[in-house]
Amino acid sequence: DSGVTQTPKHLITATGQRVTLRCSPRSGDLSVYWYQQSLDQGLQFLIQYYNGEERAKGNILERFSAQQFPDLHSELNLSSLELGDSALYFCASSATGGDTEAFFGQGTRLTVV
Amino acid sequence: GENVEQHPSTLSVQEGDSAVIKCTYSDSASNYFPWYKQELGKGPQLIIDIRSNVGEKKDQRIAVTLNKTAKHFSLHITETQPEDSAVYFCAATGGANNLFFGTGTRLTVIP
Repeated sequence: DSGVTQTPKHLITATGQRVTLRCSPRSGDLSVYWYQQSLDQGLQFLIQYYNGEERAKGNILERFSAQQFPDLHSELNLSSLELGDSALYFCASSATGGDTEAFFGQGTRLTVV
Repeated sequence: GENVEQHPSTLSVQEGDSAVIKCTYSDSASNYFPWYKQELGKGPQLIIDIRSNVGEKKDQRIAVTLNKTAKHFSLHITETQPEDSAVYFCAATGGANNLFFGTGTRLTVIP
């Protein structure tokens, strides 16, 4: 158990809908990252938050947004969903920035039908 | 931003043989290089990491080497076992201290 909790584990929704993925980081970790992993693909960096502030942005679509709350949990919002958004979405947390060990959650498998 | 390339994409070895996975990075400011193992249905898990002030690090059957001049680093697994079968990712920190991952290597250890 990495200590990072992601909910829900599985999500099936229709095209055009909006969903929210939730991540609770390890206790004490200030940094949260979101990654997208499509079938048999690598980990595409979406966005990073540090202590409530956006720190870095990767290839995140405009239809996607995220935030980190004062209690350090984070949410990733995906809207106007398309079939191609079907993927595993991972959250990871680390104590500070990218130069400390990142711990990954189990992921949320999103299926858009 | 940082660009991390990883080779090979798939690797099959006989049990007991060694496996080597290589990565290159683009940002000369990168200073932290972790390796992650992802088993089926699970999130990636750190197996070893190296910082830019060290050239080599070893942990039992796993070792990582770093060549800062050439901007490449490698993972070496010796005496491979079937439980080593998984997808391995290299990563490097970018300028903003966020982690960028390689495309992954699917390692299969044949009993």
